[in-house]
Amino acid sequence: DAKTTQPNSMESNEEEPVHLPCNHSTISGTDYIHWYRQLPSQGPEYVIHGLTSNVNNRMASLAIAEDRKSSTLILHRATLRDAAVYYCILRDVGDNFNKFYFGSGTKLNVKP
Amino acid sequence: NAGVTQTPKFRILKIGQSMTLQCTQDMNHNYMYWYRQDPGMGLKLIYYSVGAGITDKGEVPNGYNVSRSTTEDFPLRLELAAPSQTSVYFCASSTGQAYYGYTFGSGTRLTVV
Repeated sequence: DAKTTQPNSMESNEEEPVHLPCNHSTISGTDYIHWYRQLPSQGPEYVIHGLTSNVNNRMASLAIAEDRKSSTLILHRATLRDAAVYYCILRDVGDNFNKFYFGSGTKLNVKP
Repeated sequence: NAGVTQTPKFRILKIGQSMTLQCTQDMNHNYMYWYRQDPGMGLKLIYYSVGAGITDKGEVPNGYNVSRSTTEDFPLRLELAAPSQTSVYFCASSTGQAYYGYTFGSGTRLTVV
């Protein structure tokens, strides 16, 4: 299973942009990059995913490096509700069982 | 639309007791998963299922059993509870397509004393 590396923790001020990095140097051409977040005492929730091109949705943007060995989740204006653990996960399209393997993620602290 | 529903939300077990964690989804997803999360750690895959009657082991299956008799339900059985099984358990479901993510339940917090 391709692995990802994320910083253990990051801090941001409210209403400022946040860039959460993820390294995946062993990514294969068929791996999708998924991001999930886990709010305190809740199950993980989907944030965004992409394959090669940058992606935007109402929650965040995903910037994928040209060589796909790294990606960055961008929260454009952090709110207190965005304080959570963010997981970067690779999903192999060749895996017929769609299994996700979670690392320890990045704990984001948002200061008022 | 309830999504993925887990019961109970909390449970305390004594060592050696057995219990079943329930998981139900109403999205007609074929793929279902059980994860456990120890304090301060990421999620570990216990078992998964790709359809009724089909299950397989994940990363940490020891001490657990599963069954999948219907598309909607995927119960997780603990036969002889041990303190090492104290954890938060999450059930998830998916369509199984590569670009599609998971929907998680809200979890069951289990303490074994």
